[in-house]
Amino acid sequence: EVQLLESGGGLVQPGGSLRLSCAASGFTFSSYAMSWVRQAPGKGLEWVSGFSNSDGRTYYADSVKGRFTISRDNSKNTLYLQMNSLRAEDTAVYYCARDTSGSYLRGYFDYWGQGTLVTVSS
Amino acid sequence: EIVLTQSPATLSLSPGERGTLSCRASQSVSSYLAWYQQKPGQAPRLLIYDASNRAPGIPARFSGSGSGTDFTLTISSLEPEDFAVYYCQQRSNWPPGFGGGTKVEIK
Repeated sequence: EVQLLESGGGLVQPGGSLRLSCAASGFTFSSYAMSWVRQAPGKGLEWVSGFSNSDGRTYYADSVKGRFTISRDNSKNTLYLQMNSLRAEDTAVYYCARDTSGSYLRGYFDYWGQGTLVTVSS
Repeated sequence: EIVLTQSPATLSLSPGERGTLSCRASQSVSSYLAWYQQKPGQAPRLLIYDASNRAPGIPARFSGSGSGTDFTLTISSLEPEDFAVYYCQQRSNWPPGFGGGTKVEIK
């Protein structure tokens, strides 16, 4: 059974940093591209960042470019999101999601974690 | 950046009724459109990809159609578990983007 388990969320002050983790199981993690998608309280979904396993390229939404860094450790079956210079508008539930296509970042997401809440507030 | 507009914002229906949800793109996305279902406190669930292909395990009462800029998700006969928020999402132009959602509520 495919499982994605996020952790690392919490309350942080504006300008602070957090690192989110997503532990994957039930599939060959190294064979799949992965993304982070967020959802502000009561709002819709926003794709944040993706990691294409086929070429090692990383992709970011304009809203987080230069502040967030996506990475992965295939030996630990874990995806990460390092978030720096956090702003109030980054407050959201952050989901990790598996891409449908395998190692190429295609942009559809077939499995999602349960999410971890990040709150940026003083 | 492609903007996806979903309508209506809220759809009030009774179990057993047919639900028709619309998603309009600001420019053509070809058939690169997906639909997701999200229930309160849960992660989204992929229903349809490439406009009309059901994801594995999705009941046949869910169907998708359309291409270019106009897309439809149809739920042929609503079951109690289908009352939720539905999002469309395009992958034609990077970055992938989502519509604002349609809430299907019990009438």
